[in-house]
Amino acid sequence: EVQLVESGGVVVQPGGSLRLSCVASGFIFDDYTMLWVRQAPGKGLEWVSLVSWDGTYTYYADSVKGRFTISRDNRKNSLYLQMNSLRNDDSGLYYCVKAYSSSSSGYSDYWGQGTLVTVSS
Amino acid sequence: SYVLTQPPSVSLAPGMTAKITCGGDNIGRKSVHWYQQKPGQAPVVVVHDDNSRRSGIPERFSGSNSGNTATLTISRVEAGDEADYYCQVWERSSDHWVFGGGTKLTVL
Repeated sequence: EVQLVESGGVVVQPGGSLRLSCVASGFIFDDYTMLWVRQAPGKGLEWVSLVSWDGTYTYYADSVKGRFTISRDNRKNSLYLQMNSLRNDDSGLYYCVKAYSSSSSGYSDYWGQGTLVTVSS
Repeated sequence: SYVLTQPPSVSLAPGMTAKITCGGDNIGRKSVHWYQQKPGQAPVVVVHDDNSRRSGIPERFSGSNSGNTATLTISRVEAGDEADYYCQVWERSSDHWVFGGGTKLTVL
């Protein structure tokens, strides 16, 4: 059974930093592209970032580029999101997402339950 | 950046056919994927690559894609189909994923 378990979401002040983690199980982690997708309270889905199966390629939404860094540790079956210079509009539920394939194109077939980030003073 | 446009809401009675659209420039040239999100739950893909149903999804769910509009069709809607539905594509030029704004399906 595929499982994606996120952690690290907390309340943080504007301008602060946070690191989200996701531990994956039930599949061969280093065979797949992984992503972060967020959802502000009561709002729609927003793609944040993706990382290739080997960590070589990373891509970011314009809204987070230069502030967030995605990474993975295939030895630990783990995905990370380092979030710096946080703003109020970064608040939301952050989902760890498995892509259907090793390619960055395509769709996602499994989602975690999310970890909640609240940016507030 | 590429934009996907969905109607905010669709409402209909049980047993009717729901058509949820997703508009984008030449979207017919892209592969479109559809997710269902019920309250308090993570999204689940229901249709991928325009018209392929994920395993376990009822045949009542189907998709089409042509020109500037992709459509998710749900036949004989049931109360259990009430959810938010999102379309998604991969934007080749930037290697970005793009989601539509979502459509709330209400079964009256």
